[in-house]
Amino acid sequence: SAVISQKPSRDICQRGTSLTIQCQVDSQVTMMFWYRQQPGQSLTLIATANQGSEATYESGFVIDKFPISRPNLTFSTLTVSNMSPEDSSIYLCSATLSRGPTGELFFGEGSRLTVL
Amino acid sequence: KNEVEQSPQNLTAQEGEFITINCSYSVGISALHWLQQHPGGGIVSLFMLSSGKKKHGRLIATINIQEKHSSLHITASHPRDSAVYICAVDKTSGSRLTFGEGTQLTVNP
Repeated sequence: SAVISQKPSRDICQRGTSLTIQCQVDSQVTMMFWYRQQPGQSLTLIATANQGSEATYESGFVIDKFPISRPNLTFSTLTVSNMSPEDSSIYLCSATLSRGPTGELFFGEGSRLTVL
Repeated sequence: KNEVEQSPQNLTAQEGEFITINCSYSVGISALHWLQQHPGGGIVSLFMLSSGKKKHGRLIATINIQEKHSSLHITASHPRDSAVYICAVDKTSGSRLTFGEGTQLTVNP
């Protein structure tokens, strides 16, 4: 089992600024993921956070816009850079204990960002 | 057509009613997940299924691999069950989850 804490839980940001979201897991996990959920939509995978190396980004997401760090097996950050109103979404951190995604899923409480 | 389809999109029930949410998928899978998303945005994993049926409290999840269909049942529904329920599948051909659009459930007292 794993409990994931995310912060901030919500924020209101100005256009052009950047915000870093932190994800802390209470136990060592194998895989960590970052998702975006735009209003009224389902979850979209942004990237897989790899421990000690560059994240693996999905099509449509780039490191310059969404830099990710994962310095150890329990912590990761996602930065949303140079924000625009289109970035207003819920950002969710997720983790699994298995190498592949098949396995119990753990999610954080989400970070709800509003960009003005 | 989405690879994972949920129905209904929205569901309103009275407290105590039996609720069924359906999920159909069109790809080969290794597992199917049912998730619950609270109004604040946080997500809780309810079930992971690869065959048969699982039960946890008032929640029951079933899957029919041949028909590529899964159902989530809630017995004796309660207003605190109000949430978005999401079906997600681990595809055998890929390493990332594919999500359904979610079912918004509202249970009125």
